[in-house]
Amino acid sequence: DTEVTQTPKHLVMGMTNKKSLKCEQHMGHRAMYWYKQKAKKPPELMFVYSYEKLSINESVPSRFSPECPNSSLLNLHLHALQPEDSALYLCASSADEGTGNQPQHFGDGTRLSIL
Amino acid sequence: AQRVTQPEKLLSVFKGAPVELKCNYSYSGSPELFWYVQYSRQRLQLLLRHISRESIKGFTADLNKGETSFHLKKPFAQEEDSAMYYCALLYAGNMLTFGGGTRLMVKP
Repeated sequence: DTEVTQTPKHLVMGMTNKKSLKCEQHMGHRAMYWYKQKAKKPPELMFVYSYEKLSINESVPSRFSPECPNSSLLNLHLHALQPEDSALYLCASSADEGTGNQPQHFGDGTRLSIL
Repeated sequence: AQRVTQPEKLLSVFKGAPVELKCNYSYSGSPELFWYVQYSRQRLQLLLRHISRESIKGFTADLNKGETSFHLKKPFAQEEDSAMYYCALLYAGNMLTFGGGTRLMVKP
């Protein structure tokens, strides 16, 4: 399996809802990432997990809460989002950085709309 | 600070014409550069990495440290090359920063 799988593909939620985005990879990668991509813009890094520990948080608001239950799974918990949070959320993974800088492999993304 | 610049938001060429998508970077360390491509309704895919010096789908890219550039080239564009192309810089092991992207349109 050489893919990063994200669910759901689409999500519409109200500002008071709580929902979660899920990401899964079975490539044995030990680094996983969340990115936010607005329309016609490049992806912007949100969080980095390395060996299941949060290593980088790019000053993301606390209404986004990442979780890495195991080496294959990455979640993004959402609560009290704002309309400006509507975007495509991408998950990516890469091999152990200790073996040299490794390319990141991306999922299809979850298109999130906040009402 | 590290930065990637793609000066052209849109590049339109005819089928069979040569293509060059420009990418310039700013980084004080040793750069690790990639080109990613996003075809319509498909995921972001790795196209090339500078360290491998390979040709994928007829595309090549050479790192020029003197000019801090990593331009993507193809001698003869095909319609199926129409897509969004992002140049990206990897630093600090796993931090990836993208350029603004160039939309390539290949007209028949």
